[in-house]
Amino acid sequence: GAGVSQTPSNKVTEKGKYVELRCDPISGHTALYWYRQSLGQGPEFLIYFQGTGAADDSGLPNDRFFAVRPEGSVSTLKIQRTERGDSAVYLCASGKTSTNTGELFFGEGSRLTVL
Amino acid sequence: KNQVEQSPQSLIILEGKNCTLQCNYTVSPFSNLRWYKQDTGRGPVSLTIMTFSENTKSNGRYTATLDADTKQSSLHITASQLSDSASYICVVNGGGSQGNLIFGKGTKLSVKP
Repeated sequence: GAGVSQTPSNKVTEKGKYVELRCDPISGHTALYWYRQSLGQGPEFLIYFQGTGAADDSGLPNDRFFAVRPEGSVSTLKIQRTERGDSAVYLCASGKTSTNTGELFFGEGSRLTVL
Repeated sequence: KNQVEQSPQSLIILEGKNCTLQCNYTVSPFSNLRWYKQDTGRGPVSLTIMTFSENTKSNGRYTATLDADTKQSSLHITASQLSDSASYICVVNGGGSQGNLIFGKGTKLSVKP
């Protein structure tokens, strides 16, 4: 597809379970970001990839959160031992680095609900 | 500390009226500022970008301004439509690596008939 694709669109899980959220960026975009957005708030930065490597993971709240991008395209955000406070919409965005204008192209998000 | 503050937090206006949203930032260095529109349940979409040398830029009924001296930006919406109901997010790019993007919390605009 032409845009950023995120799956699943909705995920309901129980406290303590493990979840994976997937992001397919726009083809050719080397920059990939994960954000978390709670109701009524702006996106909160989690992690930024440049190619395969995490260039900035300072936004990950704790060691239960981990993200990978092994081939420089698809990325997976992994959350271990989920807690109710992890409930939010997780947004993925991709961007070109050649222009450095900072425009991000967002997916529709994955809504995570931890019961 | 790099911060982006937006006001008001929320706004309700009648269809056809104009409104102005504010964004103040303390990000330094400054590369550019972008306004995004986020419809409910969707990802944000870029409306316009303002660079250091630009004061005003229009995109249809949307007009953005930037005062780099006072570190303020505004987004003016003319002749509002019901479809303008959304959150508007101000994002400042601190330059350098593309990871240096500072997000505001957004202004939630509701346009009523």
